[in-house]
Amino acid sequence: ETGVTQTPRHLVMGMTNKKSLKCEQHLGHNAMYWYKQSAKKPLELMFVYNFKEQTENNSVPSRFSPECPNSSHLFLHLHTLQPEDSALYLCASSHKESSGGAPEQFFGPGTRLTVL
Amino acid sequence: GQNIDQPTEMTATEGAIVQINCTYQTSGFNGLFWYQQHAGEAPTFLSYNVLDGLEEKGRFSSFLSRSKGYSYLLLKELQMKDSASYLCAGMDSNYQLIWGAGTKLIIKP
Repeated sequence: ETGVTQTPRHLVMGMTNKKSLKCEQHLGHNAMYWYKQSAKKPLELMFVYNFKEQTENNSVPSRFSPECPNSSHLFLHLHTLQPEDSALYLCASSHKESSGGAPEQFFGPGTRLTVL
Repeated sequence: GQNIDQPTEMTATEGAIVQINCTYQTSGFNGLFWYQQHAGEAPTFLSYNVLDGLEEKGRFSSFLSRSKGYSYLLLKELQMKDSASYLCAGMDSNYQLIWGAGTKLIIKP
């Protein structure tokens, strides 16, 4: 257990569905991240939130919509996805670099998403 | 551009030593990370180097040379449970991690 939880662990959805991924961290961190992991490719950073404010959006299609209601919770809302969006979606958290805490990111177990 | 290079796959024998190399190019540099990821699981933090030299942590050690843009992860006394992917990541000037594609390590009895 890393202190970061994600639900659901597995999700199968059609291209017209709307679903949400949830992430929660119990580590007192103030930065949270969404990553996409596809087979044999580097982790792709999608979104970064620092103190609930979005600071990075790495050219992610609008069919992915993040939400960070507080520093412990992070959501990724999905709608009209494409089959190529099938991947492992990982949430991570860390101390903000300016807070002086250790810089490593702690990952949740991920949501394995399949888009039919 | 920013880039992390590491071998795709390596094979080693139980009880032996293996070194996984990583070269990096980042815009600015705030450290080099190694993570371990077992199949179907989350990446877990192994090591962080920001200064040149070797950091030892039990059976695992990590080395950094900033002038060469080079790091390696050294695993000693290999155990079957060490079979996993090892991810190298450099932290750039914006404190964002740039990730390699990972090295799949296969341990044989």
